[in-house]
Amino acid sequence: DTEVTQTPKHLVMGMTNKKSLKCEQHMGHRAMYWYKQKAKKPPELMFVYSYEKLSINESVPSRFSPECPNSSLLNLHLHALQPEDSALYLCASSHQPGQGAPLHFGNGTRLTVT
Amino acid sequence: LAKTTQPISMDSYEGQEVNITCSHNNIATNDYITWYQQFPSQGPRFIIQGYKTKVTNEVASLFIPADRKSSTLSLPRVSLSDTAVYYCLVGDIGGFKTIFGAGTRLFVKA
Repeated sequence: DTEVTQTPKHLVMGMTNKKSLKCEQHMGHRAMYWYKQKAKKPPELMFVYSYEKLSINESVPSRFSPECPNSSLLNLHLHALQPEDSALYLCASSHQPGQGAPLHFGNGTRLTVT
Repeated sequence: LAKTTQPISMDSYEGQEVNITCSHNNIATNDYITWYQQFPSQGPRFIIQGYKTKVTNEVASLFIPADRKSSTLSLPRVSLSDTAVYYCLVGDIGGFKTIFGAGTRLFVKA
């Protein structure tokens, strides 16, 4: 079990669908992250939120839209995705913004775009 | 951000000590070295972090030479359950980006 909870665990969606991934942590962490991981590849950073504000967007296409409603929640809204967007989407949090603070990861949402 | 180089894969047997070395020639003064472990279909899990010399916790040890251009993760007496991918990361403790390198796939055999 992890302290970062991601829902759903699996998601299959068509290219015209709109869906959302959810992430929740109750450790009081003030930085939250979205990563994308393709099979047999390392996680790739997508977005970083620091104190509920978007701090880093790693040139992610606009069909991915992050949202941080409060310090415990992080959403990733998906719209008009492509099959190549199929991947494991990982959420993470850290006590404070910065690489020195270890990241706590959820177990991800396995997304398949058909 | 400092680039890291690790072996793509390693094999070991149960009960052996495993050392995984990470090269980071352009490490900066403010950079820390952090290692994560990842099992299939799970998120990475923090193992250990250090700045210089040696750090030990209940899971592993991290050896960092004086020039800090490399680091070695040491796993004592591995078991089958240590089969995983191990990532070495180097970065500024004050920075935002945590960028993963290619990682090392460790396979522990009986």
